[in-house]
Amino acid sequence: AQSVTQLDSQVPVFEEAPVELRCNYSSSVSVYLFWYVQYPNQGLQLLLKYLSGSTLVKGINGFEAEFNKSQTSFHLRKPSVHISDTAEYFCAVTQYSSASKIIFGSGTRLSIRP
Amino acid sequence: SAVISQKPSRDICQRGTSLTIQCQVDSQVTMMFWYRQQPGQSLTLIATANQGSEATYESGFVIDKFPISRPNLTFSTLTVSNMSPEDSSIYLCSVARGLDEQFFGPGTRLTVL
Repeated sequence: AQSVTQLDSQVPVFEEAPVELRCNYSSSVSVYLFWYVQYPNQGLQLLLKYLSGSTLVKGINGFEAEFNKSQTSFHLRKPSVHISDTAEYFCAVTQYSSASKIIFGSGTRLSIRP
Repeated sequence: SAVISQKPSRDICQRGTSLTIQCQVDSQVTMMFWYRQQPGQSLTLIATANQGSEATYESGFVIDKFPISRPNLTFSTLTVSNMSPEDSSIYLCSVARGLDEQFFGPGTRLTVL
């Protein structure tokens, strides 16, 4: 079975500052990893995903994440945040198999201060 | 990508009643899922909607409470039966064409009084 831990429930940062949202996962098999974003009162949107290959993955809106197999981490980063990045961010995992069931982390609320 | 619509977008219901939520996709997909997002919490998978057979439920969710239909490859319904205030949540459907990505609908915001 897989599990996902997002270590920070809330992350407040100032506008134009860098941010890192932490995610660790646990799995006995190989996995795919995702970051989804949920803006207020909206559905989920895929930010980026790691399937294989380069461990540094670039996504939309200037976000990137690095897969670290030895540390079982998939932290999300952005060098300079904007007010519009205020949202809930979910790390998620699914295993290599015919069933693409996604397991979500508890979420991190990113709040940007002007 | 996939364009997913859900009906209704929101509803306020009385305790003891049932609500059926519809999920429509703009193209055929292999897998459809139903999730629940309780207030201030993450998403929890309710079940996988299987076309032509009974849905596969996750631990803690039962067919009597959350009956699901999937008559074809573009449509599914989730019914929340005999509702109580604890069922107040956002219900989302999602679809997957392959193993590496799911697309989510906008959600149905349910409030049970």
